[in-house]
Amino acid sequence: AQKITQTQPGMFVQEKEAVTLDCTYDTSDPSYGLFWYKQPSSGEMIFLIYQGSYDQQNATEGRYSLNFQKARKSANLVISASQLGDSAMYFCAIPALSSGSARQLTFGSGTQLTVLP
Amino acid sequence: DAGVTQSPTHLIKTRGQHVTLRCSPISGHKSVSWYQQVLGQGPQFIFQYYEKEERGRGNFPDRFSARQFPNYSSELNVNALLLGDSALYLCASSRPGTSGGLYEQYFGPGTRLTVT
Repeated sequence: AQKITQTQPGMFVQEKEAVTLDCTYDTSDPSYGLFWYKQPSSGEMIFLIYQGSYDQQNATEGRYSLNFQKARKSANLVISASQLGDSAMYFCAIPALSSGSARQLTFGSGTQLTVLP
Repeated sequence: DAGVTQSPTHLIKTRGQHVTLRCSPISGHKSVSWYQQVLGQGPQFIFQYYEKEERGRGNFPDRFSARQFPNYSSELNVNALLLGDSALYLCASSRPGTSGGLYEQYFGPGTRLTVT
C-alpha cells in the first residue's frame, strides 16, 4: 500500500516569517519523487517544488525548499518570508504505486495555511 | 500560452443522470490526467491518458469512463450519478515525454459538480 500523511489540518504564520508544512510518506517503490502543490481558493492546483528520491541535495525553488529526510520518510515544505498570497491549501503528493508516473499522483489530505498580516 | 482549460465551470445534476466533463490540455501536451477532489480532501486519481490510450486507472467504479481525442483534449463521463459524486473534478496535463517519468503536471481550474 501507499500512503501520504499530512498531520497539520491548519497552520498560521505571521507575514514575513518562515513556516514548515509536514509530510510523511510510505511507499514500496524503490524510485519515487515527492511533489508539493498549492491550491488557492480558486481551486487550481499549482506546482511548487519536486525532489527525486535519489537527489542528494534538498530542492529549492525561490522561497520554497524541501526538507527531505529519506530515513524518516518525510518531505517537509519550508516557505520562507511568508506573504499574504501564500494563504492556501498545500498538498504533498507521490506517484501512484507501480505507476512510476507523476501523471498518476497520490495526494495527502492537505494543510490549510493562513498568513496573518 | 493558454493553460489547461475545463468546461463547464459549475454543473448541477440529479441523481441517476449522466454528466460529461471536458478538458483541453496545454498546447503540445499529450498526457491528460483526471482527479476527483471531494470537499476537505486531497485529489484522487481517476484516469490518465497518453497519446489517446488509457495508461492508468484509479480505484473508481465502471460508471466512470474517459477518452482522449486526436487533438489530445479529453472527456470524463460519469453515469448513474450518486450524491457522493459531488466534487471538484480536476484535469491536468504534462509536457511531452514518455508515458511515465517524473514531470510536473499543470492543472486546470476544475469543474465543480453538484449532485442533488
